[in-house]
Amino acid sequence: DADVTQTPRNRITKTGKRIMLECSQTKGHDRMYWYRQDPGLGLRLIYYSFDVKDINKGEISDGYSVSRQAQAKFSLSLESAIPNQTALYFCATGLAGGHEQFFGPGTRLTVL
Amino acid sequence: RKEVEQDPGPFNVPEGATVAFNCTYSNSASQSFFWYRQDCRKEPKLLMSVYSSGNEDGRFTAQLNRASQYISLLIRDSKLSDSATYLCVVNIKSNFGNEKLTFGTGTRLTIIP
Repeated sequence: DADVTQTPRNRITKTGKRIMLECSQTKGHDRMYWYRQDPGLGLRLIYYSFDVKDINKGEISDGYSVSRQAQAKFSLSLESAIPNQTALYFCATGLAGGHEQFFGPGTRLTVL
Repeated sequence: RKEVEQDPGPFNVPEGATVAFNCTYSNSASQSFFWYRQDCRKEPKLLMSVYSSGNEDGRFTAQLNRASQYISLLIRDSKLSDSATYLCVVNIKSNFGNEKLTFGTGTRLTIIP
């Protein structure tokens, strides 16, 4: 079984809809992250959490919110989706101290 | 200026050849360095960490030059399975003690039979 899972894997939605992307992990890591990846722009950090209830903005947090209610789960919400939020979204987990991050398989989101 | 810069490629290299990727980073407070590999439509995965003394893992060699703020990855005897995008990644610790990984946009490598 995968250590970091994301649901859904693919989603097509319309402008203005509220969308939630879920991430779960069985690695026991305290730190969790949400990134988006766009062609030519690489991976950009949206939000990250170092512990339950700890929330920190990344470089592109506008238009997104997150929730960390349990160590194993970190959800990303788009309150009112817009077309430029069309991207590949990755959840990741990691340990303190600049160690490796472990990524989920990604969610491909299309906003029409 | 981007915090981490890489040549996007693509690099099209014949099987068995040696290929080298370079990466520069702008923040001198960067503390740790990595190369990640990302296959098409898949998640990034750690390939290797990069140490000041240089390190080798089989056909892969990584080098770090802190003075020049430069990281390299060398792949010898390239295989078809090496075809992927290689991401240069830098860990930066902020003044507040937070750490974050900053990813380069990646260098795309295709090994040609």
